[in-house]
Amino acid sequence: GENVEQHPSTLSVQEGDSAVIKCTYSDSASNYFPWYKQELGKGPQLIIDIRSNVGEKKDQRIAVTLNKTAKHFSLHITETQPEDSAVYFCAASIDSGGGADGLTFGKGTHLIIQP
Amino acid sequence: GAVVSQHPSWVICKSGTSVKIECRSLDFQATTMFWYRQFPKQSLMLMATSNEGSKATYEQGVEKDKFLINHASLTLSTLTVTSAHPEDSSFYICSASLIRGRKTQYFGPGTRLLVL
Repeated sequence: GENVEQHPSTLSVQEGDSAVIKCTYSDSASNYFPWYKQELGKGPQLIIDIRSNVGEKKDQRIAVTLNKTAKHFSLHITETQPEDSAVYFCAASIDSGGGADGLTFGKGTHLIIQP
Repeated sequence: GAVVSQHPSWVICKSGTSVKIECRSLDFQATTMFWYRQFPKQSLMLMATSNEGSKATYEQGVEKDKFLINHASLTLSTLTVTSAHPEDSSFYICSASLIRGRKTQYFGPGTRLLVL
C-alpha cells in the first residue's frame, strides 16, 4: 500500500517569512495529492491540491509543487501570518475516475508562526 | 459549498455500550464517504470506505463487526461503534467525495469519543 512521509514534524518561522513542508510517497500509481490544514479539535480543511498531470499549482500565498519522477511534493506558504499556525497534513491517493480512494496521510507538520 | 457535518461533536459513554455517529453532506451529493480515526497528536488513519447502497470496504486491521457502517443515502453515512471500550476512545472524522467531477474529499468537523 501507499506510504507517505512528511517533514519536518515541527516548523517554526517568523511572521512574514516563508514555510516549506515536504512529502514523499511510495506508490507510483498515486495521482492525487491534497494538503489539509487542521486546527486543534477540528476536522481537516482542504487548502490546495494537485494532480499528477501538473507540476505546480498556486493559490494566493499557497503553492504546491509535484515531482512525479522523484515521488515528492511540497507545500509552500509565503508571507506567513499568525493565523497560518496549525497542523498541516499532506496526503496521496489514486483517483481512477470511477470511485474515489481513501487518502493516505503523512504524519503532519505543526507550523508555528512566531510574531 | 461542500460542507460536511457530523453529529454528535463529542460523546462520553460507558464501556460496553454502542455509539452512533452521523456524517452528512449538507449541500452536495456524495458517491463515497470515508471514515477516519485520529489519536491525539497523530495522523488520520483510514478505517473504511462507504459507497451508497453497498457494503463498506474496511481497511486491514479494522473490525467490521465492531465498526458498523451504513450509507443509506447520497447525503448520509453512519458509523456505529459497538460494545465500545476505552481503547476505542479517539477522534472520528468522516469525509465525503462529490458525486460528479473530481473526487476531492471534504472533511467533517469530527466526533470526539470518550469511553469510560
